[in-house]
Amino acid sequence: GAGVSQSPRYKVTKRGQDVALRCDPISGHVSLYWYRQALGQGPEFLTYFNYEAQQDKSGLPNDRFSAERPEGSISTLTIQRTEQRDSAMYRCASSWGNTGELFFGEGSRLTVL
Amino acid sequence: SQQGEEDPQALSIQEGENATMNCSYKTSINNLQWYRQNSGRGLVHLILIRSNEREKHSGRLRVTLDTSKKSSSLLITASRAADTASYFCARYNQGGKLIFGQGTELSVKP
Repeated sequence: GAGVSQSPRYKVTKRGQDVALRCDPISGHVSLYWYRQALGQGPEFLTYFNYEAQQDKSGLPNDRFSAERPEGSISTLTIQRTEQRDSAMYRCASSWGNTGELFFGEGSRLTVL
Repeated sequence: SQQGEEDPQALSIQEGENATMNCSYKTSINNLQWYRQNSGRGLVHLILIRSNEREKHSGRLRVTLDTSKKSSSLLITASRAADTASYFCARYNQGGKLIFGQGTELSVKP
């Protein structure tokens, strides 16, 4: 596709359920980043990949959060046993490498009831 | 928390005026970038300035970088209502992680 695609755009779930958020980066982009953004705040780094290798996961809040990019393209961010505090906008971005500009998707808004 | 900060946190100006936003950071950089975000939508890259550059222009945007002070500024000249958005600076750490500041919320009144 022409840009970074994220799905679902909106997800409402009940506390305790698992959710999976998908990111389809721009074709050929090496690096893929996940961020979380609260209203009125800047994007908070979660994790990033170069190809299929997870380079840094220091921003994942706890072990309920995980991410994978098994074939170096599409990535999935999984949140297990969701809690209300997980409600946020989750943003994915990709780039040619980890020194240049990022191209962002429109985000996935997660609401945990 | 993220490295560095933008200031001001919010800025309100009239159309036609110039808007200046500042960004400070704490560690050495290869480059510094500015992004814009409209109404909670995805962030859009505006401009990248390398550590060996002092000033860069793109249309009505002018970015300066002072590595001795670890600061950068974004100037938008002759602002328009469509410039209303949040503006973020971002820089990579040594591990390749791109870190964003908290942003400046710019409001341009017609």
